[in-house]
Amino acid sequence: DTEVTQTPKHLVMGMTNKKSLKCEQHMGHRAMYWYKQKAKKPPELMFVYSYEKLSINESVPSRFSPECPNSSLLNLHLHALQPEDSALYLCASSHPQGKDTEAFFGQGTRLTVV
Amino acid sequence: AQTVTQSQPEMSVQEAETVTLSCTYDTSESDYYLFWYKQPPSRQMILVIRQEAYKQQNATENRFSVNFQKAAKSFSLKISDSQLGDAAMYFCAYRRETSGSRLTFGEGTQLTVNP
Repeated sequence: DTEVTQTPKHLVMGMTNKKSLKCEQHMGHRAMYWYKQKAKKPPELMFVYSYEKLSINESVPSRFSPECPNSSLLNLHLHALQPEDSALYLCASSHPQGKDTEAFFGQGTRLTVV
Repeated sequence: AQTVTQSQPEMSVQEAETVTLSCTYDTSESDYYLFWYKQPPSRQMILVIRQEAYKQQNATENRFSVNFQKAAKSFSLKISDSQLGDAAMYFCAYRRETSGSRLTFGEGTQLTVNP
């Protein structure tokens, strides 16, 4: 199983809503990532969890709150978002160190903030 | 800081022909990894090929091969016998040996395959 599964695939939310994005993998990877991607641009790293602990936060606004409840799951809690936060949100996983650390990506959640 | 540059925002190729996508990078590290990822309209980033900097031999994966020039800091992707399914955005990416899997991406090259 080399899949990273993200739900939902599409999400429309108002600026006062609270929603969550979910990501799951069963490859035994102990590093998980959230990326934000705007159209025609490369992914931008938001957060990295290594062994279920937050290791990197790329100065992301607090309206984005990550959570890693166990080694297979990664959530991104959203609250009071702005229209400019509309983007594709990609989850990825990998082994945290060693040679075989290529990242496997999910299909993303297309988020629209209205 | 490491940077990755893809100088071709768009490329096109005829089906069954060969196309080369360019990538250059800047780093002071000696140990690192380079990747090409493909992102079709389905949105999923798919790993196409990877190259370890310590290996002199160029990586190949079926119709995909790279030309890795470490001294020139160049890492181009050659797609042979192009197929319609190869149409996608291609991203070149760099990872330091010691940074887990934190990737630095180039801006991407949009590849069109013409029938």
